[in-house]
Amino acid sequence: DGGITQSPKYLFRKEGQNVTLSCEQNLNHDAMYWYRQDPGQGLRLIYYSQIVNDFQKGDIAEGYSVSREKKESFPLTVTSAQKNPTAFYLCASTPTGGFYEQYFGPGTRLTVT
Amino acid sequence: SQQGEEDPQTLSIQEGENATMNCSYKTSINNLQWYRQNSGRGLVHLILIRSNEREKHSGRLRVTLDTSKKSSSLLITASRAADTASYFCATDMGSSNTGKLIFGQGTTLQVKP
Repeated sequence: DGGITQSPKYLFRKEGQNVTLSCEQNLNHDAMYWYRQDPGQGLRLIYYSQIVNDFQKGDIAEGYSVSREKKESFPLTVTSAQKNPTAFYLCASTPTGGFYEQYFGPGTRLTVT
Repeated sequence: SQQGEEDPQTLSIQEGENATMNCSYKTSINNLQWYRQNSGRGLVHLILIRSNEREKHSGRLRVTLDTSKKSSSLLITASRAADTASYFCATDMGSSNTGKLIFGQGTTLQVKP
């Protein structure tokens, strides 16, 4: 099946620890995106990548880092510098940047205590 | 930054009734998209309407776009209990070709059987 996978579905970490969220797609899409969603809110863009080995900050990049070493993978690291990391994280992809629908993964719910 | 503002925030109707959700945005766009999210899940794309289109249909869904008023509406006809979900509008950045979307805060729809 083609699609986007995110793992794990639920993640628990202690404050002060870095944590990496996985996002993999087999749709052969060039562009990938990471969003954060807080309860009752819309999605806010953290980082995006339009091509391998290149990525750009979104609206709320502080405290996060990404890499794009392979076309199919776009992992997100939530660092200890992120002040309020508990949230629902969603990964998405499109065939190329611009004017296309985004395909979303199932999300990872991160809880930091 | 939130470009899309949705109205109402919550909507509760009986099965069989129509549901209308509205979205307003601030700057020029190339397209506007509607997505659906079931609780705790990823988003699913419903409809993309381009700035030169005024109306689009998909099954029981009808989307209108009024660029002069910077607004869009999503109509779900003959609603079913399975339509219970949150619905988000998302706009692209207009002049940018990055594929970045700005999401509204969403309308939570409850369809009572």
